[in-house]
Amino acid sequence: EAGVAQSPRYKIIEKRQSVAFWCNPISGHATLYWYQQILGQGPKLLIQFQNNGVVDDSQLPKDRFSAERLKGVDSTLKIQPAKLEDSAVYLCASSPWDRGSKAFFGQGTRLTVV
Amino acid sequence: AQTVTQSQPEMSVQEAETVTLSCTYDTSESDYYLFWYKQPPSRQMILVIRQEAYKQQNATENRFSVNFQKAAKSFSLKISDSQLGDAAMYFCALASGSRLTFGEGTQLTVNP
Repeated sequence: EAGVAQSPRYKIIEKRQSVAFWCNPISGHATLYWYQQILGQGPKLLIQFQNNGVVDDSQLPKDRFSAERLKGVDSTLKIQPAKLEDSAVYLCASSPWDRGSKAFFGQGTRLTVV
Repeated sequence: AQTVTQSQPEMSVQEAETVTLSCTYDTSESDYYLFWYKQPPSRQMILVIRQEAYKQQNATENRFSVNFQKAAKSFSLKISDSQLGDAAMYFCALASGSRLTFGEGTQLTVNP
């Protein structure tokens, strides 16, 4: 079974620039999560999709972050403009519809804003 | 709102010994699930063990077991016969309502 794919693995940008991350979940998984993990901290949920609808985006800084999930499959997360404090690892995860199911994680994208 | 608290930022254990990582949580839901995930330096999150809140029996997976105390909202992870490969960041997580929430993590060091 193919895992959750994320790209790029690493990205360095200057503050005020824009950046986009891509996630391809496991086939058939209805739920897709984007987490922000700052070094030394636990993952913080940014947005959760159920198919192509948003279930929870209460912690997404909507003035600069946006996300979409096209046709209930792939997803992109965008930051525009980036700030220094956005430096973190961005993790994508997917799971079947049942919330009790295991969430499968990608390897993440490490973003450095300079 | 739901919260997950891991009060031990760092723990260490001697190889072949046993270590217990602590986790407490809070949720207003009666139906929820608890997880322990392991994150090695590669950053890949790996599920270690899963517990359904409606089950009284503690989950076990080989050398890993949990002590689930529902009334106390406590969910600790016991690692027996610790191995060097167990060294990693461990996260406790709660799936409640529509959200999957993580604690701040415990960095486990295994000494040879």
